[in-house]
Amino acid sequence: AQSVAQPEDQVNVAEGNPLTVKCTYSVSGNPYLFWYVQYPNRGLQFLLKYITGDNLVKGSYGFEAEFNKSQTSFHLKKPSALVSDSALYFCAVSIWPGGDDKIIFGKGTRLHILP
Amino acid sequence: GAGVSQSPRYKVAKRGQDVALRCDPISGHVSLFWYQQALGQGPEFLTYFQNEAQLDKSGLPSDRFFAERPEGSVSTLKIQRTQQEDSAVYLCASSLGVSGLVNTEAFFGQGTRLTVV
Repeated sequence: AQSVAQPEDQVNVAEGNPLTVKCTYSVSGNPYLFWYVQYPNRGLQFLLKYITGDNLVKGSYGFEAEFNKSQTSFHLKKPSALVSDSALYFCAVSIWPGGDDKIIFGKGTRLHILP
Repeated sequence: GAGVSQSPRYKVAKRGQDVALRCDPISGHVSLFWYQQALGQGPEFLTYFQNEAQLDKSGLPSDRFFAERPEGSVSTLKIQRTQQEDSAVYLCASSLGVSGLVNTEAFFGQGTRLTVV
């Protein structure tokens, strides 16, 4: 069964510093990996995805994530954090090929950017 | 509209009441998902449709929960005899959902916040 782990419930970063939000996954096939962000009172928004190809993927709002197959990780990164990045971040996985498009989410990491 | 639409946005139900939550996915999206998000938690998978076929309902917490998508478009999540533990935000998402294609990210609606009193 596929699963996603986000080991940190909360991450605090000073504005202007680099940030990393960790994610590891477990799947039996090839993973599709995603990051979503949830702002207060708003729906989940897609940030970026890894399907295949370059291990470093770039997404919205200056975020990027690095796929590491040997470590089964897909950590979210940003070189310089903004206060407006404060939100709840979810890592998610689905598998291909095989017809199973179920998307499994991690429990989320709350990111606090301190001014 | 262009996005996933859910209605109602908010629902207050008395314990024991039946509720029906509606999801209008993005036109042409094959896959439709329902998730339950408790306060402060991540979305928990409930059920998944490809077109009108319910391929996975392993996440439905009890037989009080029922979902349908009879024509492969609009979906309804029904909860019978609601309990306080059913209070959560119910999220619907749709995706093109055909394995092997790149457009597999899910687009989420804003959710229905259900409060059982």
